[in-house]
Amino acid sequence: TQLLEQSPQFLSIQEGENLTVYCNSSSVFSSLQWYRQEPGEGPVLLVTVVTGGEVKKLKRLTFQFGDARKDSSLHITAAQPGDTGLYLCAGRRGGQNFVFGPGTRLSVLP
Amino acid sequence: SQTIHQWPATLVQPVGSPLSLECTVEGTSNPNLYWYRQAAGRGLQLLFYSVGIGQISSEVPQNLSASRPQDRQFILSSKKLLLSDSGFYLCAWRRTGRNTGELFFGEGSRLTVL
Repeated sequence: TQLLEQSPQFLSIQEGENLTVYCNSSSVFSSLQWYRQEPGEGPVLLVTVVTGGEVKKLKRLTFQFGDARKDSSLHITAAQPGDTGLYLCAGRRGGQNFVFGPGTRLSVLP
Repeated sequence: SQTIHQWPATLVQPVGSPLSLECTVEGTSNPNLYWYRQAAGRGLQLLFYSVGIGQISSEVPQNLSASRPQDRQFILSSKKLLLSDSGFYLCAWRRTGRNTGELFFGEGSRLTVL
C-alpha cells in the first residue's frame, strides 16, 4: 500500500476544460508539494503548502491543502496542451523525507 | 545559478553486469542529495539520501549502493544487476536545512536490464 494515493490515475480532456486531481492519505503531513513531470525529464516543483486549509494559486492552477493536512487537490482552469504531464504530490511527515504519490497522468488534447 | 547533471541518460545492460550512475551538482555547497527510482504507476521511490560526504542512508534494502566521494557528487552503483533494477533513476538535491525546500531533479537515467 502507498502512503499517498492520487486520483484519477489517467485523465484525458479537451483544451479549455476544467479539471481537478486529488492526493489523499490517512496520514497527517507537515507539508505537501506538487510537481509536474514531462516525459524523459525530472519533476519540477509547482507549489508547497504547509497550513491546513491553505489555498495557493499559480496562474490557472489552484492548489488546496485539506484542513486536516491529510489531502490536497489541484484544480486547473481552461486547460491547455502545455499542461500535459504527470502530476505528482509529495508529502512530508515531521522531519522525514518527502514521500511521493504514484501521480496523475494528464493529457490535454488541442 | 545551481545546476544538476546526471549520466548516462540511457543505459542497456545485461543481467549480472555492474552499474554506475553519476550525478553532480554545481553552484551550491553541502546540499542534501537523493537517488530515486521511478516505475510506472508507483511514483518516485527514494533509494538513498546523503546529508554530507561519506554519509549515506538507505531507504530500502536492495541490490544497489550509493556513495558520495565529494560534496557535490553522488554515485549509484551495483555489482550485479537484476532484471528488477530496470527503471528511470533520478538524482535530486535540496538546500541543507530547508525543511519544506524544493527538490531539484536531474534529467534522469533510463536503465534497461536484459
